[in-house]
Amino acid sequence: EAGVTQSPTHLIKTRGQQATLRCSPISGHTSVYWYQQALGLGLQFLLWYDEGEERNRGNFPPRFSGRQFPNYSSELNVNALELEDSALYLCASSGRERLSAEQFFGPGTRLTVL
Amino acid sequence: AQKVTQAQTEISVVEKEDVTLDCVYETRDTTYYLFWYKQPPSGELVFLIRRNSFDEQNEISGRYSWNFQKSTSSFNFTITASQVVDSAVYFCALSVGGATNKLIFGTGTLLAVQP
Repeated sequence: EAGVTQSPTHLIKTRGQQATLRCSPISGHTSVYWYQQALGLGLQFLLWYDEGEERNRGNFPPRFSGRQFPNYSSELNVNALELEDSALYLCASSGRERLSAEQFFGPGTRLTVL
Repeated sequence: AQKVTQAQTEISVVEKEDVTLDCVYETRDTTYYLFWYKQPPSGELVFLIRRNSFDEQNEISGRYSWNFQKSTSSFNFTITASQVVDSAVYFCALSVGGATNKLIFGTGTLLAVQP
């Protein structure tokens, strides 16, 4: 069974640009989560999508946004990039069969903002 | 508010030693879930275990074991007879489920197993 996939692996942007990161969940999973792992800040929850709807959002500015498509894949968009947005962005997916089901993570997209 | 504390930033052991990674959590919810994840140098988080707040039984899986104690709000992870392949950052996480479902991570413990 294929795991969570993310693209691209690496992304280099300049300050002020927009970045789009993509995630495909494990087949059968309907929930997708996004986390940011920045140096010195640890793993921070960004967004949770389920059945195409945004269910919860972490403490991030509105320029972090995303969506979930009918096939449950997801996009994370970061507008007006700032230097501190440089981080590893991890996507995870889970099924809905139980509360707080284990989340399975993808390999991440490393975003570098110059 | 929920919080996870992993006080050990780095641990270095020699192969075949046993090592325990500490995790202390804070939550006022009576229903919650605890997790451990491993992050090898490749970066991908690997799920190790999920435990709910009503199940205080310790669990053993091969060389891995987990000790959950509600009285001390701890969920410690022990690796027996460590191996070089165990070298990674280990994260403890908390979720209170329901409307949030997010994982609240500790800061991680870097485990280095020397040959």
